[in-house]
Amino acid sequence: GQQLNQSPQSMFIQEGEDVSMNCTSSSIFNTWLWYKQDPGEGPVLLIALYKAGELTSNGRLTAQFGITRKDSFLNISASIPSDVGIYFCAGQLNHYGGATNKLIFGTGTLLAVQP
Amino acid sequence: EAQVTQNPRYLITVTGKKLTVTCSQNMNHEYMSWYRQDPGLGLRQIYYSMNVEVTDKGDVPEGYKVSRKEKRNFPLILESPSPNQTSLYFCASRIAGSSYNEQFFGPGTRLTVL
Repeated sequence: GQQLNQSPQSMFIQEGEDVSMNCTSSSIFNTWLWYKQDPGEGPVLLIALYKAGELTSNGRLTAQFGITRKDSFLNISASIPSDVGIYFCAGQLNHYGGATNKLIFGTGTLLAVQP
Repeated sequence: EAQVTQNPRYLITVTGKKLTVTCSQNMNHEYMSWYRQDPGLGLRQIYYSMNVEVTDKGDVPEGYKVSRKEKRNFPLILESPSPNQTSLYFCASRIAGSSYNEQFFGPGTRLTVL
């Protein structure tokens, strides 16, 4: 099945640093989603993007929907220890999840934050 | 509290011994899915269900079965588990016609097949 290329695979940073990660695809998507997975938990949605070029923030998190519709970026500013986890991007062809409109996940970025 | 529950959370079994992982949601959602998560591969969809008695294959259905006899439950069945099915499994649900940003994930089931 199709997958999204997400980078970096892992990051080990100091508290207070900014973080950037991105996701690229060979296919065009009309929706990009960013999830965070805490250890021992299921993924939780952070940000949803619906329009090419869109820039959306959620607290210290900012995500962008690439102009080409084949990529997306997530930035975390002033990282704190509770930012630790795995971050996943996911792409969807249409805005609404029809029966055959699957969500394609990225390979994940593991973030570790040193206090 | 609105939630998706999975049982068991952890399971160690042996090759060939049939097992079932249960998934239940209390939000009256029509759509339910099963994913597996493997290092470096992200989440891949195994099966999904659009409503009671309506199921279809995802990207990696081989070796798995599902059933949807009731709206709230969507069990994942491994008739003859093999070591390559060792993975972390997630169930998810959402309302029909909603976007994926309204999808809820369960807490996960870590399965080890020896």
